[in-house]
Amino acid sequence: EVQLVESGGGLVQPGRSLKLSCAASGFTFSNYYMAWVRQAPTKGLEWVASITNSGGSTYYRDSVKGRFTISRDNAKSTLYLQMDSLRSEDTATYYCTMFDYWGQGVMVTVSS
Amino acid sequence: DVVLTQTPPTLSATIGQSVSISCRSSQSLLHSNGNTYLHWLLQRPGQSPQLLIYLVSRLESGVPNRFSGSGSGTDFTLKISGVEAEDLGVYYCVQGTHAPYTFGAGTKLELK
Repeated sequence: EVQLVESGGGLVQPGRSLKLSCAASGFTFSNYYMAWVRQAPTKGLEWVASITNSGGSTYYRDSVKGRFTISRDNAKSTLYLQMDSLRSEDTATYYCTMFDYWGQGVMVTVSS
Repeated sequence: DVVLTQTPPTLSATIGQSVSISCRSSQSLLHSNGNTYLHWLLQRPGQSPQLLIYLVSRLESGVPNRFSGSGSGTDFTLKISGVEAEDLGVYYCVQGTHAPYTFGAGTKLELK
């Protein structure tokens, strides 16, 4: 059974950092492009970042470029999202996904 | 960025009724490799999104065949032939032909 389990969310002050993790199981993680998608409270879905299966290429939406870093450890079947210089508008539930499957999501709240 | 316009924003249906959701793209979603990367997701209340249809019309494994997708170029449709109670939630179209990934704003399906 495919499972994507996110962790690392929480309440953080503006300007601070947070690192999300996504532990994958039930499939060959190293074969898949992965992505982070977020959903602000009561809003729709918004793509944040993607990474190729090898980790050699990464892609970001403009509003997080230079602040967020997506990475992966294929040996550990884990996806990461390092979030620096957080802003209130980054408040959302963050999903780890390869679009076929989605994690349960982890909440990130940026507030003083 | 590609803009996906979903209509209607809200859909009221009775059990057994057939309904359709439209997703129109601001540019053609036909990729140079011949694929059209337009997919449909369902997000039930309080749950993560799940993939229903991929590549316009291909039914994801385990998804009931009352769901069907059609379209080409810039115009796409998701049809539910006989709504069931478990179908309630928000439907999103998402495109992966042109970077970055973009989502439609969603169509909320509720019971009349």
